[in-house]
Amino acid sequence: EAGVAQSPRYKIIEKRQSVAFWCNPISGHATLYWYQQILGQGPKLLIQFQNNGVVDDSQLPKDRFSAERLKGVDSTLKIQPAKLEDSAVYLCASSPISRQGGYEQYFGPGTRLTVT
Amino acid sequence: AQKITQTQPGMFVQEKEAVTLDCTYDTSDQSYGLFWYKQPSSGEMIFLIYQGSYDEQNATEGRYSLNFQKARKSANLVISASQLGDSAMYFCAMSPSSGGSYIPTFGRGTSLIVHP
Repeated sequence: EAGVAQSPRYKIIEKRQSVAFWCNPISGHATLYWYQQILGQGPKLLIQFQNNGVVDDSQLPKDRFSAERLKGVDSTLKIQPAKLEDSAVYLCASSPISRQGGYEQYFGPGTRLTVT
Repeated sequence: AQKITQTQPGMFVQEKEAVTLDCTYDTSDQSYGLFWYKQPSSGEMIFLIYQGSYDEQNATEGRYSLNFQKARKSANLVISASQLGDSAMYFCAMSPSSGGSYIPTFGRGTSLIVHP
C-alpha cells in the first residue's frame, strides 16, 4: 500500500512570494490533515478535511493560507504572501475516518519551506 | 484550552534497557484522547499508542506502554528493551474526543538517543 505522498520535499522562496504544497493521501482515506511544524516544536494542526468538506480550520491563518481538497482526494495548501515566520515543515496526514481521532493517522514525509 | 508539557528535551538510554518519557497535560474536557508519536530523522511522524480518558486499562502496543495517571494528568510513554532504531523525537499529543472530533495539541517533544 502506497503511503501519503507530498511534493515538493523542499522549497525556498522569498518573503511576499506565494507557494503551494500538494498532498496525495492513502487511497480510500476519507480524512486529510495539514500540519505546520516549526523547528523545535510539535506539529500544529492547520486544517482537517473529511472527504472534500472542512471539519476544522480554526488554526489556519486565513488571511494568507488557503487549502482545498477537490473531489475528496488530493489536497493543496497555499500560502500567499509568505512571511519569514512561515518557515517550517508542512506535514500532510490521512486517516480512514476521524472517530476518536488520530488513531489511524498516517503521515507523509513533509515539505520543508524556507522563507528568506 | 489544552496544553501538553514534555519537560525532558533529551533522554539517553542504553540499548536493551527501558526508558520513560514524561508527558503531562491540562484540559477542561471530560472526554479526550492521548497519543504518542515517533518522528525519526527522516521526518515522518509515526503513530505509536493511544489512550482514551475513560479507558481503565493502560494502553500497550508491543514494546510501548502508556502509564496513564488521570488524577495526576500524566501520560508517560514507557519503551521496554530499547533498540538503536528507537532513537528519534517523541511527541505526546491530546485531543478532545467528544462528538468524534480530533483537534490535537502536541508537546514540544523529547529527543531519545539509544546508546549501543
